[in-house]
Amino acid sequence: NAGVTQTPKFQVLKTGQSMTLQCAQDMNHEYMSWYRQDPGMGLRLIHYSVGAGITDQGEVPNGYNVSRSTTEDFPLRLLSAAPSQTSVYFCASSGGQRKLFFGEGSRLTVL
Amino acid sequence: GENVEQHPSTLSVQEGDSAVIKCTYSDSASNYFPWYKQELGKRPQLIIDIRSNVGEKKDQRIAVTLNKTAKHFSLHITETQPEDSAVYFCAASRSFQKLVFGTGTRLLVSP
Repeated sequence: NAGVTQTPKFQVLKTGQSMTLQCAQDMNHEYMSWYRQDPGMGLRLIHYSVGAGITDQGEVPNGYNVSRSTTEDFPLRLLSAAPSQTSVYFCASSGGQRKLFFGEGSRLTVL
Repeated sequence: GENVEQHPSTLSVQEGDSAVIKCTYSDSASNYFPWYKQELGKRPQLIIDIRSNVGEKKDQRIAVTLNKTAKHFSLHITETQPEDSAVYFCAASRSFQKLVFGTGTRLLVSP
């Protein structure tokens, strides 16, 4: 049982490039979400999903796309990266008992 | 929307002392208040949570109190140990699916 797995752990992009952060969980959780963590700003919700085929926006969704085609996977797409998207990204899942299980995080730098 | 303020931003205590971290929230309809601990370079992990129908909850050396009238809640750690050193985040929401986090408190416990 690996829990929540994020890839890659580190990524450097140039402004305007696109990329996808991968997130997979093997706990059969219906709820999955993406947060970004910036110094002095805590964790902010980007997008979340309550099940396959269902996604919704969080607090800071602009510049990010998501889809949920399977229960296990919840990728986060940056279509045209900007320096303001430099951050640490955390994927989280929950089985309905309110506790969020976080992945190890993905550190993204946009030059 | 919800807004969560957290104080202090840093807290230094001696081993064995108590530590208190305070949060205030703005949405009177929020009814779920978790606390997450994040050690350096690690993922956030839930340490305790409380629902709005409860005024206090304890788990060994950790306790959380909630004052719905004043819209604030606090984390209390007694008999602190060096391994309690971490960043602590409070959060508030009407649902665990859309948590709004505070900006974090860096706790340093000195031996």
